[in-house]
Parts: sequence; structure tokens; C-alpha cells
Amino acid sequence: EDQVTQSPEALRLQEGESSSLNCSYTVSGLRGLFWYRQDPGKGPEFLFTLYSAGEEKEKERLKATLTKKESFLHITAPKPEDSATYLCAVPSFVTDKLIFGTGTRLQVFP
Amino acid sequence: SQTIHQWPATLVQPVGSPLSLECTVEGTSNPNLYWYRQAAGRGLQLLFYSVGIGQISSEVPQNLSASRPQDRQFILSSKKLLLSDSGFYLCAWSSTAISYEQYFGPGTRLTVT
Repeated sequence: EDQVTQSPEALRLQEGESSSLNCSYTVSGLRGLFWYRQDPGKGPEFLFTLYSAGEEKEKERLKATLTKKESFLHITAPKPEDSATYLCAVPSFVTDKLIFGTGTRLQVFP
Repeated sequence: SQTIHQWPATLVQPVGSPLSLECTVEGTSNPNLYWYRQAAGRGLQLLFYSVGIGQISSEVPQNLSASRPQDRQFILSSKKLLLSDSGFYLCAWSSTAISYEQYFGPGTRLTVT
């Protein structure tokens, strides 16, 4: 069964304390992995698309990496404005629809 | 650049009342359109998707329906709301070329009382 699991569910960081969020996936054939940022009460904002193992994408303090089984979203020296829920998604090989994880809620304190 | 709009932003409706949520996309033509529902602590659940005018696919049997009367307009409706219809409703679009890369609207918070 196609599945996406994100960990941890919640993460509290001090400003400047780097860390990583994990997205593990199980699909028959990967056709892309997508990261989104979602602020409370708003729609998800597209961040990155990764297509193949070894690929990396960067945006400001965020870097996404991909292996054959999981993706990491590395946050370097986070700031309070990085506080949000981060979602990942992969297309199901069976249904061709995006499967979303339940997200990691990140809180960065000054 | 492309922009996606949803309205209303928030809605409080009594049980048994009708529902109409609207989504429009600007800056692109013939997009794929999606309706999702997001419940607290749960992932996004795909409700409907459309690849063209009048073409609607339903993912989950429920009290809701969708229509696409124009190329860039997607409407979510219900004849009689249930308490379980409460949630955060999101519209998204993607290009037909890169259909998995979806872009979301601001969402509608629906509370059924």
C-alpha cells in the first residue's frame, strides 16, 4: 500500500538550532516527492519537488534531500518565521493521486 | 503568474443547509483542479478532481458534489450539510504537463453547527 509517514509530529527549536524533518514513503515507483509549508489557517505553499535519489534543492534556510526510501528537510539556523507545518507528498503509483503525510509542526522560539 | 482564489474564507452554516464554495484560477488555461478537505491532525483528503469543463471525478462517497462550469472555475456544493462536513477546504490546481505539482488556494474554514 502506498504510504507517506512524517516524523516527528512536532518539533520545538531554539532560534539558530539546526535540525531535520523526515518524510518516509512507500510507493511502487517514485514519480516525485513534494514539500509544502503551511501556516495556520492558510493553504499549503509549494516549496520543492525532488525526482530522484541524491537530488537536493535549497531555498533560504531550507534544504530538501531525497533517498530511495525517504526525504529530509534540513533547516539551518532557523528563525521564528520558519515556524509552520511542513507537509510532504508523493503520487500514488496505483491511483495516480497525491498522498500527503500528516505533517511536522515546527515551532522556532527566539 | 498564476493566482488561485477561494471564497468565502470562513463560513458557519447550520446542519441541513446548502453549501457552495467557489474556486477560481487566474493566469493559466486548462488547469487540472482539485478539492481537498483537511481535518485537524490528519492529512489532506482528496475529494474531487477535474481535468476539464464538466469532467468531475469523485474520490470519496459523501454528502458533497463538485462542478466545473468554466475552464478556471471549480465549485464544491452540498444540498444538506452534516456536522461531519466541518473542516478546512482547499482548492488546488496543476498544469496538465506537471500534474503532480499542485498549488493551493487560501482555503475555506467551514463550521457546521
